[in-house]
Amino acid sequence: QLQLQESGPGLLKPSETLSLSCSVSGGSISSNSDSWGWVRQPPGKGLEWIGSIFHSGSAYYNPSVKSRVTISVDTSKNQISLKLRSMTAADTAVYYCVRSRGYASGWTDSWGRGTLVTVSS
Amino acid sequence: DIQMTQSPSTLSASVGDRVTITCRASQSISSWLAWYQQRPGKAPKLLIYKASSLQTGVAPRFSGSGSGTEFTLTISSLQPDDFATYYCQQYNSYSGGFTFGPGTKVDIK
Repeated sequence: QLQLQESGPGLLKPSETLSLSCSVSGGSISSNSDSWGWVRQPPGKGLEWIGSIFHSGSAYYNPSVKSRVTISVDTSKNQISLKLRSMTAADTAVYYCVRSRGYASGWTDSWGRGTLVTVSS
Repeated sequence: DIQMTQSPSTLSASVGDRVTITCRASQSISSWLAWYQQRPGKAPKLLIYKASSLQTGVAPRFSGSGSGTEFTLTISSLQPDDFATYYCQQYNSYSGGFTFGPGTKVDIK
C-alpha cells in the first residue's frame, strides 16, 4: 500500500520560504511510470496543481508559481521536496503530496493526508 | 492553458437519486480526464480515470463518460457517503501538469 507523508512547518511569515518534504513508502519513487508532485487547496476553495517531478529530476511547474517554486527528488531517501519562496497570505493552503500515473502528466491516484500551511505575520 | 468548468456548482439530492455532473474543457483533451471525490477534511479520492475507467475499489454506482470537451460523472443511486465535493481533472498537457475543475458540491436535499 503506497503511502505519502508530508512534513514541514505549519506557520510562516510573509516573504519567508516554505520547505516541505514528502516521504514515500510502500513504493519506489524511481518508478518509470510515475511522477510525483504537489497540489494545494486554500481553505474553502478548489484544488491547484503546483508542480511535478520525475525520478530523473525533470520537473514541471504551474505557470502561476513557476518563478517562485522548486521541486526536487532524492531517490536515495525515496522522497521529494517543495520550496516556495516569497510566501504571502494567498499561499495559505493545505499542501498535498501526490503520485501521478505518467511521465509529465497523468491521473493522480495517491494522495498524502495533506499539511496545512498558514502565512501570517 | 486548458480551462475546466463544471456544472452545477452545487447539487441538492436525496439518497437513492441518480446524479449527473458535467465537466467541460476549453479544448479537446481526448479521454484524458479523471474524477475525484473529496469529503470535508480529507484528501481527494480518485474515482474515474481515462474518462470512463473505474479505479480499483470504487463502487460501481460511479461511472464516467465523454470525450473531447464534454464529460459526465454519474452516480446511479446516491448513498449517504456520497455527499461530498466532486472535481474533474484534465491531464492532457504535453508541457506537463494538470488542471482541476472548480468542483461540484453534492449536498442533502
